[in-house]
Amino acid sequence: GDSVTQMEGPVTLSEEAFLTINCTYTATGYPSLFWYVQYPGEGLQLLLKATKADDKGSNKGFEATYRKETTSFHLEKGSVQVSDSAVYFCALPPYGGSQGNLIFGKGTKLSVKP
Amino acid sequence: DTEVTQTPKHLVMGMTNKKSLKCEQHMGHRAMYWYKQKAKKPPELMFVYSYEKLSINESVPSRFSPECPNSSLLNLHLHALQPEDSALYLCASSQDRPSVNYGYTFGSGTRLTVV
Repeated sequence: GDSVTQMEGPVTLSEEAFLTINCTYTATGYPSLFWYVQYPGEGLQLLLKATKADDKGSNKGFEATYRKETTSFHLEKGSVQVSDSAVYFCALPPYGGSQGNLIFGKGTKLSVKP
Repeated sequence: DTEVTQTPKHLVMGMTNKKSLKCEQHMGHRAMYWYKQKAKKPPELMFVYSYEKLSINESVPSRFSPECPNSSLLNLHLHALQPEDSALYLCASSQDRPSVNYGYTFGSGTRLTVV
């Protein structure tokens, strides 16, 4: 079945460091791909998305490129801030776009130190 | 309005209590979801409502009872819960073909503690 494999943390970085969080997927067809962020004590927010191969999603300085050949959607940011400390989830939709379970990776906790 | 609003934000209840969680959205979404999230884990799907009808129940115990009074509201009725049911309960919504391009919109959750 469809699945998402995400690097597990925690990841601790100093402010202004470069961030990469790896995400690979197994899926039927070519689904949209998402990154969600969960700040401490809050719900999930859609951070960025890509709907087809070679698309680059971007938001708040974060980027991720949909790589069909490597089935990857790695999240990157060139210079992290303390306010980026959160848990990041890679996700893909249920097959066929029907309502159902959004398939999440296990989440990566990022802590950014000043 | 692009938000999903959940109330209350925090709830402490005894094992014999009856309480309800509420969720509201005004984005015209026709699918609504309840998720349960334990600490350091991704959310787990509990229920899906599509056009106000229950379409998916992920084998959730009957002490959790969902209700969708109209297209904007979703409730989760709680009765005789166990301490292990303590978690963050998240509501989400999506368009009727939600996930191909748009993803799901999540609320900020209700932090439930069962004592």
